[in-house]
Amino acid sequence: DAMVIQNPRYQVTQFGKPVTLSCSQTLNHNVMYWYQQKSSQAPKLLFHYYDKDFNNEADTPDNFQSRRPNTSFCFLDIRSPGLGDAAMYLCATSEVGSEKLFFGSGTQLSVL
Amino acid sequence: AQTVTQSQPEMSVQEAETVTLSCTYDTSESNYYLFWYKQPPSRQMILVIRQEAYKQQNATENRFSVNFQKAAKSFSLKISDSQLGDTAMYFCAFMKLLTSGTYKYIFGTGTRLKVLA
Repeated sequence: DAMVIQNPRYQVTQFGKPVTLSCSQTLNHNVMYWYQQKSSQAPKLLFHYYDKDFNNEADTPDNFQSRRPNTSFCFLDIRSPGLGDAAMYLCATSEVGSEKLFFGSGTQLSVL
Repeated sequence: AQTVTQSQPEMSVQEAETVTLSCTYDTSESNYYLFWYKQPPSRQMILVIRQEAYKQQNATENRFSVNFQKAAKSFSLKISDSQLGDTAMYFCAFMKLLTSGTYKYIFGTGTRLKVLA
C-alpha cells in the first residue's frame, strides 16, 4: 500500500549529539510536513516543503533543519538536541490543492 | 492568529453509546476547513471527518458526524454506536491556505477517548 514511512520508530540520542530522522512516501505527493508533538500537546508545524521550496515556521528553532533530496524522502536534522526536544516527530504529506494530510507513524525521540 | 481549543482532555464512553467531543476555534478567516483526526495507540493519525466552512450542512461519515456552528466557532464530533476500536486520541484541526499554495493545519491539544466494554 502507498504510505508514509518514518524510521526509526524510536530514537535515543545524547544531549548535544546530532540526530537525523527520516521520512519516505510512496504517494508522490508534492508537499511534505514535519510536526513536533510533545506529550499532551498539539502537534506543532516545524516546516514544510512544496516540492523543493522550503517553508520554515517563524518560531521553529534554528537547531532544527530539514532536507528533501527528492520527492520521496525528507529528513529532519536536529543539530544539538536538548532535553526539551524530546518529543514525537510526525511526518505528513499532501497533494497540492488537497486538504487531506497523510501521516506517518511518527518517531519518538528521547534525549538523554 | 488562529487557535484551536479542546477543553476535554479525557473522556470515556460505554460501548454502543454515543459520545460528543467538543472543539472551538478562533479565526478571522472566512474560508477554511475543519477536521477531526484520530490517533490510535499505533500512533498513525488518520482523517475521521472534514467540514468546509462555506457549507452549512453538517458533515457525516457513517457513525461520525459533526455539529458545525460557524457563528459560535464551534465544531463538535459525535460518535454514535461507539466501538472498542474508537479508543484513540482525537484531534480537532483548523486548516488555512498559505500564500505558497499549500495548507497549514493548526491542531488542538486532543481528547483522549476510551471506549469501555
